[in-house]
Amino acid sequence: NAGVTQTPKFQVLKTGQSMTLQCAQDMNHEYMSWYRQDPGMGLRLIHYSVGAGITDQGEVPNGYNVSRSTTEDFPLRLLSAAPSQTSVYFCASSTRTGVAYGYTFGSGTRLTVV
Amino acid sequence: ELKVEQNPLFLSMQEGKNYTIYCNYSTTSDRLYWYRQDPGKSLESLFVLLSNGAVKQEGRLMASLDTKARLSTLHITAAVHDLSATYFCAVDLYNNNDMRFGAGTRLTVKP
Repeated sequence: NAGVTQTPKFQVLKTGQSMTLQCAQDMNHEYMSWYRQDPGMGLRLIHYSVGAGITDQGEVPNGYNVSRSTTEDFPLRLLSAAPSQTSVYFCASSTRTGVAYGYTFGSGTRLTVV
Repeated sequence: ELKVEQNPLFLSMQEGKNYTIYCNYSTTSDRLYWYRQDPGKSLESLFVLLSNGAVKQEGRLMASLDTKARLSTLHITAAVHDLSATYFCAVDLYNNNDMRFGAGTRLTVKP
């Protein structure tokens, strides 16, 4: 079981470039989420999904898009990168009934926008 | 708007001592999570508290939840160096997978 796999682990972008952060899980989890972690601010929810074809906005969705075409994959797209999007991004997943066991997090993607 | 406040944000303690980390939140929720994060690593689930009065213990850590006071505590007993990490509490807003995190408590346990 690979759990939650995020790629890439590190990325440097120029302002205005676009890119997709990949997240895949092999646990058949219905719930998937994207967070960003900035120093001193904990984690903030960007977007989440409760199942294939269903997504919703979290606390800080601006500048990001998501889609959920399969149960396994939940990519995060940066439309036009800005320095304010420099952060560490985490993907997390859980079963619908397994929220009682907490969420499983990926290893993170460290993104720098210059 | 939901606010999740942890205190202290930084905690330096000696091995063998006891201490408590507090997590206050500003709206109704009965799902509260505690996570641990080591430097440069991902988050590890420690406890999930799902009802008022819930108490869970694992080793030297014990977590509790008071939904009426909107307060959760993480108590550390006889701290050891291996507990050094950042601890986050998180509240599931509206029990709807919209999880909001506190800023984290960076714990350092010194010999």
